[in-house]
Amino acid sequence: EAGVTQSPTHLIKTRGQQVTLRCSPISGHTSVYWYQQALGLGLQFLLWYDEGEERNRGNFPPRFSGRQFPNYSSELNVNALELEDSALYLCASSLWTGMRTDTQYFGPGTRLTVL
Amino acid sequence: EDKVVQSPLSLVVHEGDTVTLNCSYEVTNFRSLLWYKQEKKAPTFLFMLTSSGIEKKSGRLSSILDKKELFSILNITATQTGDSAIYLCAVADAGGTSYGKLTFGQGTILTVHP
Repeated sequence: EAGVTQSPTHLIKTRGQQVTLRCSPISGHTSVYWYQQALGLGLQFLLWYDEGEERNRGNFPPRFSGRQFPNYSSELNVNALELEDSALYLCASSLWTGMRTDTQYFGPGTRLTVL
Repeated sequence: EDKVVQSPLSLVVHEGDTVTLNCSYEVTNFRSLLWYKQEKKAPTFLFMLTSSGIEKKSGRLSSILDKKELFSILNITATQTGDSAIYLCAVADAGGTSYGKLTFGQGTILTVHP
């Protein structure tokens, strides 16, 4: 069974630019989560999508946004990039079994560098 | 706000040693505690714990939760160089603004020397 996939693997952008990161969940998973892992910091929750709707977001400015498509894949968009946005962006997915489970399975991440 | 603290922050051992990693938490509506191993990029799932006192085991790794004292430990016996990684502890909150997300600790960096 294929795991969570993310693209691209690496990205280099300059301040002020915009970026789109992509994530495909494990087949059958309806929930997708985005996390930011900056150097020296733990994983910080960004966004949660389920069944195409944004269900929760972390303490990040509105220039961080995203969406989930009918096939449950997801995009994370970051506008007006700042130097401190440099980080590993991790996507995770989880399975809906009629009662929500909490085991989130992570993809390999996208390493974003902002110059 | 939910909080997870791991200790130690880093640990260096030799192959064959046994290690114990600690995770304490404060969460409004506890749902579960999870352990992950992060080697290069993707954290890989190890255990999910929801009930106190029930040990979960997988090979040389085991973990237990104490919901009264609000902590969990992850034990690794007979360590191998392949165990070198960052070990992450996370908690899931059942409600409010924390619903759906995992709150992570800062991780323990484990280095196992041959």
